Amino acid sequence: DQQVKQNSPSLSVQEGRISILNCDYTNSMFDYFLWYKKYPAEGPTFLISISSIKDKNEDGRFTVFLNKSAKHLSLHIVPSQPGDSAVYFCAYSENQGGKLIFGQGTELSVKP
Amino acid sequence: EPEVTQTPSHQVTQMGQEVILRCVPISNHLYFYWYRQILGQKVEFLVSFYNNEISEKSEIFDDQFSVERPDGSNFTLKIRSTKLEDSAMYFCASRLAAYEQYFGPGTRLTVT
Repeated sequence: DQQVKQNSPSLSVQEGRISILNCDYTNSMFDYFLWYKKYPAEGPTFLISISSIKDKNEDGRFTVFLNKSAKHLSLHIVPSQPGDSAVYFCAYSENQGGKLIFGQGTELSVKP
Repeated sequence: EPEVTQTPSHQVTQMGQEVILRCVPISNHLYFYWYRQILGQKVEFLVSFYNNEISEKSEIFDDQFSVERPDGSNFTLKIRSTKLEDSAMYFCASRLAAYEQYFGPGTRLTVT
């Protein structure tokens, strides 16, 4: 039941460069997509979200892109900083108030 | 900044014992959730709670699990008779009206 897939378990990027994290989904009914960041021994922290009616949302260094025809979501972090090193989860919600369905996560390492 | 808190941070229990995991959601939030993450696996939805009743639950949330909001601030998850496979990080989350859910730091449950 892989409704949300993050195919890269890890990603290593040099400080100052762009980090691109990817997520694929299967269900066209998904209403809302979110990205969370998680440090060890902490809970997931909300980063940025996008409605299914949009194709881009930007917040500072973070931009999320949604390609509905390809059922693909990506998170761009630019410039990457060492403090961005964490596990990143994409998640979707079918409706407001509904549960979040998470991908497996991608561990980002930003090297100084 | 308001945050979700959880206690205890780590709970060790013997198989067959009852445990109660406690959460204090953000004070003006209306929707409450429990998720869990078994080591090395995805964050999985357990149950959502709104207006003093369960609004959705997963297959994992069987008769051994229950939730309660005993007063205006606490939200608890009870596991009646713990099994080895219940060992996981348990996260509480809450939200107000938008899609974004805010997570607590988690309780690590170890069943021996």
